[in-house]
Amino acid sequence: DGGITQSPKYLFRKEGQNVTLSCEQNLNHDAMYWYRQDPGQGLRLIYYSQIVNDFQKGDIAEGYSVSREKKESFPLTVTSAQKNPTAFYLCASSPQSTGYAEQYFGPGTRLTVT
Amino acid sequence: EDKVVQSPLSLVVHEGDTVTLNCSYEVTNFRSLLWYKQEKKAPTFLFMLTSSGIEKKSGRLSSILDKKELFSILNITATQTGDSAVYLCAVPPGNAGNMLTFGGGTRLMVKP
Repeated sequence: DGGITQSPKYLFRKEGQNVTLSCEQNLNHDAMYWYRQDPGQGLRLIYYSQIVNDFQKGDIAEGYSVSREKKESFPLTVTSAQKNPTAFYLCASSPQSTGYAEQYFGPGTRLTVT
Repeated sequence: EDKVVQSPLSLVVHEGDTVTLNCSYEVTNFRSLLWYKQEKKAPTFLFMLTSSGIEKKSGRLSSILDKKELFSILNITATQTGDSAVYLCAVPPGNAGNMLTFGGGTRLMVKP
């Protein structure tokens, strides 16, 4: 089956620890994205990557880091520098070849930091 | 900076009612506007609108874009409890690239 997978579904961490969220896609999409969603709010862009070995900061990149070593994978690290890391994290991908912007989303990871 | 504003914030209706959700946007060099439905987890794609005045329809859902007034509406007729969700509106930037700016969403609850 083609799609985007994120793991784990739920993640609990202590304050001060770095944590890495996984995102994998087998849709052969060039572009991948990370969004953060807080309760009752829309999605905000953290980082995006339009091609392997390249990525750009989104609107709220502070305290986060990413890598894009393979086309299929775009892991997100939430560092201890992120002041309010508890949130729902969504990964998405889109085919760069299209002129439009339809994105396909993974099921999300809910991160709780105490 | 691109901006998307959705209204109302939340809405409670009864099954069978018709609802209209609003999305206004500000973006340089508009390319498209997208609607997503988010139930529990991943948003699922509903519509992409690029041309003004042309209605996109899928069953009981329809959407239309007004590029002059910079807004879009999403209509749901004969609502069902399964329509309960957060509806998100988003626009890509005017230059190249597919990252999206999302509105805050409208939370719709349909009561039996």
